[in-house]
Amino acid sequence: DTAVSQTPKYLVTQMGNDKSIKCEQNLGHDTMYWYKQDSKKFLKIMFSYNNKELIINETVPNRFSPKSPDKAHLNLHINSLELGDSAVYFCASSQLDTQYFGPGTRLTVL
Amino acid sequence: AQSVTQPDIHITVSEGASLELRCNYSYGATPYLFWYVQSPGQGLQLLLKYFSGDTLVQGIKGFEAEFKRSQSSFNLRKPSVHWSDAAEYFCAVGVGRDDKIIFGKGTRLHILP
Repeated sequence: DTAVSQTPKYLVTQMGNDKSIKCEQNLGHDTMYWYKQDSKKFLKIMFSYNNKELIINETVPNRFSPKSPDKAHLNLHINSLELGDSAVYFCASSQLDTQYFGPGTRLTVL
Repeated sequence: AQSVTQPDIHITVSEGASLELRCNYSYGATPYLFWYVQSPGQGLQLLLKYFSGDTLVQGIKGFEAEFKRSQSSFNLRKPSVHWSDAAEYFCAVGVGRDDKIIFGKGTRLHILP
């Protein structure tokens, strides 16, 4: 009965590779988000989608591309991974101004 | 610009003692305010939220928070902490556009036995 789920939980990869993180929510929410949490635990929003439409796109490199195949899914694709991309990435969904977070994906770029 | 300040990076309290974590925000309109908790290696769990009405809000796990508009604060409190409360606590403000939330930098809570 997981509300917001992410896969994989851990992702270790080499610099230059392309990788994807998947997010699914079964709450029926209209809006989904991606956040990045850096090594100092600071959380920053990257993107948000509402009903498959991009709403928020913060200052994020073009190598990051969100894709929303339907309202319940928001995937994050990262091209040409760099060392600085190492972080924990959280997906969230919201309805009525309250956000609910997934368990996070720890990405390590070697 | 909207911002959230959590002035304490680390707080250490003894088990059974009372707790207060500070949060100040900067936002021009009436804010939506949240506290989230992140246990080690875990995601964020919503503790409580304030949208309007009673300025003292109750949350899960025995936490409460009080909204004070005059001080632009939303401090989190618990009368008696348990060892399982050791975690990172994030205060956040919803800036009202597309449900966007801005987080503070977090306060790490340590519990002494």
